[in-house]
Amino acid sequence: QVQLVESGGGGVQSGRSLRLSCAASGFTFSSYPMHWVRQAPGKGLEWVGLIAYDGVNKFYADSVEGRFTIFRDNSRSTLYLQMNSLRAEDSAVYYCGRDHSSGWVVDFWGQGTLVTVSS
Amino acid sequence: SYELAQPPSLSVSPGQTASITCSGDKLGDKYASWYQQKPGQSPVLVIYQTDKRPSGIPERFSGSSSGNTATLTISGTQAMDEADYYCQAWDRSTYVTFGGGTKLTVL
Repeated sequence: QVQLVESGGGGVQSGRSLRLSCAASGFTFSSYPMHWVRQAPGKGLEWVGLIAYDGVNKFYADSVEGRFTIFRDNSRSTLYLQMNSLRAEDSAVYYCGRDHSSGWVVDFWGQGTLVTVSS
Repeated sequence: SYELAQPPSLSVSPGQTASITCSGDKLGDKYASWYQQKPGQSPVLVIYQTDKRPSGIPERFSGSSSGNTATLTISGTQAMDEADYYCQAWDRSTYVTFGGGTKLTVL
């Protein structure tokens, strides 16, 4: 069965960096684009970005463009989110998700990891 | 930027039909997806490509779209359907956009 397990969340000061990981299993990771989606406490879902199956093409939300970088290691079936210049408004649960074959839809989600940015 | 609007809340009695709307510019020309999220849990995809159900999603969940509005319909709503529901669409300007979410209460 598809499993996505995020890790790396925690508390960090504003302006600092943090790297999240997402370990995938139960499917051929290297064949699927992957998403990051976040959810601030008590708020709705916000898409962060997507990386193509081969890691070449990447797409980001305007709110994180230039500060966040998505990359992947297909040999380790692991997705990453490098977050730099963190702000208080980046505080959220971060989910990784697999892209559905129809494109630009998340068909499986991890359990999420909480990032708290303090000023 | 592209935006999707949903009603913040909706209440329905058990066994009745719940219709959750999602509005966006020319949404009927795009594919809409819907996610269900229960408290403390990760979202679950319930509808993709406007009207398709993933494997394992009950038949009482259906989707449709017309004009600027996509609709998620839950027929014979059950207590277990109480959750937040989010619509989502792709647009070339913002890539993936989520609606603000609708809290469905079954009472």
